[in-house]
Amino acid sequence: RKEVEQDPGPFNVPEGATVAFNCTYSNSASQSFFWYRQDCRKEPKLLMSVYSSGNEDGRFTAQLNRASQYISLLIRDSKLSDSATYLCVLPRNTGRRALTFGSGTRLQVQP
Amino acid sequence: EPEVTQTPSHQVTQMGQEVILRCVPISNHLYFYWYRQILGQKVEFLVSFYNNEISEKSEIFDDQFSVERPDGSNFTLKIRSTKLEDSAMYFCASLGTSGGREQFFGPGTRLTVL
Repeated sequence: RKEVEQDPGPFNVPEGATVAFNCTYSNSASQSFFWYRQDCRKEPKLLMSVYSSGNEDGRFTAQLNRASQYISLLIRDSKLSDSATYLCVLPRNTGRRALTFGSGTRLQVQP
Repeated sequence: EPEVTQTPSHQVTQMGQEVILRCVPISNHLYFYWYRQILGQKVEFLVSFYNNEISEKSEIFDDQFSVERPDGSNFTLKIRSTKLEDSAMYFCASLGTSGGREQFFGPGTRLTVL
């Protein structure tokens, strides 16, 4: 299994739809998880951190399933501005603070 | 809101030339990182820096790369002899010590090697 694996998409959804992305990871010892958002040719920006079973912030919900080693991101009531690539990010297997990134899932919200 | 800044935003260089990419991390942060992203590929870790020394580096960070914190604010990445395959976006990131684990990224430098 790759360190971090994501479905590349693209996910094309209409405005107002609910969409979910999954991410699987290989290091069962990982304690912290992040979802970053990256717009085209821009820097990754932190969307959510997940340290326990899950986290919710407005329309965004992240859930962690340690037994199956996957993290999900749910976006409710999609907006046009949600169109971006969503990156699943974990600390590297070295146990230090550097990050390892998934390849990202591209979301396109259509009017 | 404090932010990480990077200069230049775009650097074009000839193969074999040396380049220095500059970053100013968030002022009270102590951990600094360089990542790169080749066009169409994922973000890859290069090196981390703490307490004036490299704390971790990836297999990408070979002898042609070096990092430095020459003063209290700048953090630089030097590529000694650029190759075509060094063309990428280079992102600097920093991390504080307040207990959070979130890294904050600069806007990146686009390096084009001709």
